[in-house]
Amino acid sequence: GQNIDQPTEMTATEGAIVQINCTYQTSGFNGLFWYQQHAGEAPTFLSYNVLDGLEEKGRFSSFLSRSKGYSYLLLKELQMKDSASYLCAVRDWELTGGGNKLTFGTGTQLKVEL
Amino acid sequence: SAVISQKPSRDICQRGTSLTIQCQVDSQVTMMFWYRQQPGQSLTLIATANQGSEATYESGFVIDKFPISRPNLTFSTLTVSNMSPEDSSIYLCSVVGGLAGGHSYEQYFGPGTRLTVT
Repeated sequence: GQNIDQPTEMTATEGAIVQINCTYQTSGFNGLFWYQQHAGEAPTFLSYNVLDGLEEKGRFSSFLSRSKGYSYLLLKELQMKDSASYLCAVRDWELTGGGNKLTFGTGTQLKVEL
Repeated sequence: SAVISQKPSRDICQRGTSLTIQCQVDSQVTMMFWYRQQPGQSLTLIATANQGSEATYESGFVIDKFPISRPNLTFSTLTVSNMSPEDSSIYLCSVVGGLAGGHSYEQYFGPGTRLTVT
């Protein structure tokens, strides 16, 4: 099966930079996703990595190393509205759903403080 | 941008009854999925909704409990049958591919249906 690990919670200061790590184990890697989820709302797509390297999208960047089974989400210029849960999810070719099944980590609850 | 909608947004149901949740996408999508998020937990895949054929269920989920329909490429329903308090959860529709402004590999979630069973 798959094993996805990410920290349970993190705290950071408004205007700062925070890095949320995710490690995974899977046999048929087919991409890694990061989602943001505010309390009581559905997850919102942030990023997708399938090749090694850094993908930058505004204040958010996501990095992937397939050989290390490692990814991180980097949030710059933190704002209070960034307080949310950040979910790491891995897609696996060998699982059901036509290779599109996502297995989610438990999420990292980020709290941004003044 | 394309929109995924779900009905109802929330409901409170009695034990032993059934609830059907609808998912509508305003463009054709390749794949549709149903996920569950129990209180304080992450998301778990229930099944893949296959257009024109029976859904593919994950381990621990069965068709008698969670019948699914997908009559076309933009619509699906999930029924939660013979409900118990353990079924209290958020049920989310998810789609891959075909959303305007997105890439074919990206996966998006609907707003969710918050179900409470008493």
